[in-house]
Amino acid sequence: EDQVTQSPEALRLQEGESSSLNCSYTVSGLRGLFWYRQDPGKGPEFLFTLYSAGEEKEKERLKATLTKKESFLHITAPKPEDSATYLCAVLDSNYQLIWGAGTKLIIKP
Amino acid sequence: GAVVSQHPSRVICKSGTSVKIECRSLDFQATTMFWYRQFPKQSLMLMATSNEGSKATYEQGVEKDKFLINHASLTLSTLTVTSAHPEDSSFYICSVRTPDYNEQFFGPGTRLTVL
Repeated sequence: EDQVTQSPEALRLQEGESSSLNCSYTVSGLRGLFWYRQDPGKGPEFLFTLYSAGEEKEKERLKATLTKKESFLHITAPKPEDSATYLCAVLDSNYQLIWGAGTKLIIKP
Repeated sequence: GAVVSQHPSRVICKSGTSVKIECRSLDFQATTMFWYRQFPKQSLMLMATSNEGSKATYEQGVEKDKFLINHASLTLSTLTVTSAHPEDSSFYICSVRTPDYNEQFFGPGTRLTVL
């Protein structure tokens, strides 16, 4: 069964303290892996799409990487405004999007 | 800029009434749009896939007679919650996927509260 697991569920960091969020997946025929950011009361904001192992993408303080089993979202020197829930989703061979439960990131000033 | 818009952003209605939510694709023509609902502190749950010019495809457990979807044009899909009840209170979000499947964008969401 296709599955996406995100860890940790919640992460508290001090401002400037770099860390990584994990998204592990088991899926038949990966067509793409998406990362989103969601603020409370708002729709998810698209961040990245990754397609193949070894691929990396960056946007400001965020960097997403992909292996055959998992993806990492690295956040470098985070700021309080980076606080949000980060969602990972995998597009399977049937073009179905399978969601992880998200990681709630809190950056303390 | 915004790729997907939703209207209204918030709606409060009485039990038994119907509520219509609009979703517009602003940047490209979307033959397919998706409707999700999200409960507090939970991830998104796909309700249905809206196809322009044809009937929507509903996920298992979603009542198609309760959640009416009309994909009237390549830029507009509507979700009507019929005879709404308090348990229908939720955050409803629509989404469009680019034709090449590279990106999927979400609207800002509609907070529905049924009294």
